[in-house]
Amino acid sequence: DAGITQSPRHKVTETGTPVTLRCHQTENHRYMYWYRQDPGHGLRLIHYSYGVKDTDKGEVSDGYSVSRSKTEDFLLTLESATSSQTSVYFCAISESSGGLAKNIQYFGAGTRLSVL
Amino acid sequence: AQTVTQSQPEMSVQEAETVTLSCTYDTSESNYYLFWYKQPPSRQMILVIRQEAYKQQNATENRFSVNFQKAAKSFSLKISDSQLGDTAMYFCAFLTGTASKLTFGTGTRLQVTL
Repeated sequence: DAGITQSPRHKVTETGTPVTLRCHQTENHRYMYWYRQDPGHGLRLIHYSYGVKDTDKGEVSDGYSVSRSKTEDFLLTLESATSSQTSVYFCAISESSGGLAKNIQYFGAGTRLSVL
Repeated sequence: AQTVTQSQPEMSVQEAETVTLSCTYDTSESNYYLFWYKQPPSRQMILVIRQEAYKQQNATENRFSVNFQKAAKSFSLKISDSQLGDTAMYFCAFLTGTASKLTFGTGTRLQVTL
């Protein structure tokens, strides 16, 4: 199994509070991704990173920010959580964009976030 | 933009039988990859099988195989000799671009029964 740790695994918070989710990898992979999973939508990309301090937006980036100060850590921040951000959040990593094997994304165990 | 469609929200199959899950996609890209991921009740996303668009030969992984029809933009998953442990949500996913971004379908929930 790919060495990916997401923390926390579960979190309940109140509307308007800031929340930070952490993804830590031990594989030294270049690419890291944050997805959210909601019923009827599958997984949707929030933000991704292609290197230290190199990030870009995904399909559903509004209300989220990310940071990557080290290869192994990718943080997802909800500056002011809203009920619409209640979801399961997945981190994924991949080695690079060269060839099928290196393009495979490996996923963490997910974080269930509830915003009340 | 790429889209992935899984038209079967739920399916059921008896143990030891064969089942096929459908997936279609839309893209203007010529080079891309396709994946099937499995998500059991544990919530973990597990890669089942992958296919490179430029390879005509269908991928096979033990009891799992795909029927890749590039012209029709179809990528179905066949599970042979279904087992109770195959009970899960199955997601079809499409990957392209320099940043290797995945686009997922909405999933098919498969129930394997005795």
